[in-house]
Amino acid sequence: EDQVTQSPEALRLQEGESSSLNCSYTVSGLRGLFWYRQDPGKGPEFLFTLYSAGEEKEKERLKATLTKKESFLHITAPKPEDSATYLCAVDGGYQKVTFGIGTKLQVIP
Amino acid sequence: DSGVTQTPKHLITATGQRVTLRCSPRSGDLSVYWYQQSLDQGLQFLIQYYNGEERAKGNILERFSAQQFPDLHSELNLSSLELGDSALYFCASSPRDRASDTQYFGPGTRLTVL
Repeated sequence: EDQVTQSPEALRLQEGESSSLNCSYTVSGLRGLFWYRQDPGKGPEFLFTLYSAGEEKEKERLKATLTKKESFLHITAPKPEDSATYLCAVDGGYQKVTFGIGTKLQVIP
Repeated sequence: DSGVTQTPKHLITATGQRVTLRCSPRSGDLSVYWYQQSLDQGLQFLIQYYNGEERAKGNILERFSAQQFPDLHSELNLSSLELGDSALYFCASSPRDRASDTQYFGPGTRLTVL
């Protein structure tokens, strides 16, 4: 069964203080790794899909990277509006996506 | 706005009752996925439909069932409700029958069972 572990569970940053969120995964064969952002009480909002080790994708202050065992979501010079829960998910080939519990990010002005 | 719609936004009901949640996928998407999100748990995959047919099942209880209609909207039926069924229920849609396709999520239905 696919497993996804995200760390840390919660992260508090000062505005402008860059950091990284980690997503470790165990799958038999990775078909895709996804990052979503979720605001309280809202549906997850798609950010990135990564398909193979070495792949990187960027969007504004966010950059996602992928290795054979984990993915990182790097946040550069975050702003308060980046505060949200960031979810990582994998498609391990079982016709379903497995989500991690998420990292709750708070960016303080 | 993802283009996925869900109704109702909120639902409050009593134990033992039955409710129906509705989802309309993005225009052109043929797959619909249902997820449950409880307070301390991540998104739990329940079931997937593709073009009217059930394609994958996750941790869906026997008290729960779903279907996808010819116009591609989907309904999730929850019966004999228990307190522990209180959660956010999300549907997501994607164009094809591939889990590696990006799934776009609706705003969710918050179910409260009293």
